[in-house]
Amino acid sequence: DARVTQTPRDKVTEMGQEVTMRCQPILGHNTVFWYRQTMMQGLELLAYFRNRAPLDDSGMPKDRFSAEMPDATLATLKIQPSEPRDSAVYFCASGSLDAEQFFGPGTRLTVL
Amino acid sequence: AQSVTQLGSHVSVSEGALVLLRCNYSSSVPPYLFWYVQYPNQGLQLLLKYTSAATLVKGINGFEAEFKKSETSFHLTKPSAHMSDAAEYFCAVSKMDSSYKLIFGSGTRLLVRP
Repeated sequence: DARVTQTPRDKVTEMGQEVTMRCQPILGHNTVFWYRQTMMQGLELLAYFRNRAPLDDSGMPKDRFSAEMPDATLATLKIQPSEPRDSAVYFCASGSLDAEQFFGPGTRLTVL
Repeated sequence: AQSVTQLGSHVSVSEGALVLLRCNYSSSVPPYLFWYVQYPNQGLQLLLKYTSAATLVKGINGFEAEFKKSETSFHLTKPSAHMSDAAEYFCAVSKMDSSYKLIFGSGTRLLVRP
């Protein structure tokens, strides 16, 4: 049963610390998306990759967020330095055909 | 530009009653449309999708949706609600370019009363 996996599932950190979230897309999927979900803003697209190349990261705060795909099995989202307003659930999704996206379980980030 | 509107941020039904969650879209070309469900503390799970084949689409857990071009709607229905259907439901439309981006509605939280 192919699934998108994300680690960690929960992260509590203090303001100013670096946070790294990891995602393993479904094998064979060539598109990876990062979303942020909050009560106030709902689901926001932060960035996406196709064939490991970043195509659009216009949804990310550029000064503190960065997203990479070091290889086809790993996508990372990094926040440095973290701030309380970054507290949210971060989802990774992967896809290939028909625009269908498969979501991971999310990383719940709390920045104190 | 494509957009999605979900009418009603909260819908409450009795167990066994009909579920109807509304979704309207705007798109200059025939879109791909999706319904996702999110259970507490979980990611989004695909319920069903419309990709320009049959206009009545059947999904998992007894849900179905009908694509109505004339009404620009893609409402989600289920004949009889179960307690386990309580969740948040998101309608999404695919940007009809090569990006495969999804534009999500704001979500509808379904409450099922015993």
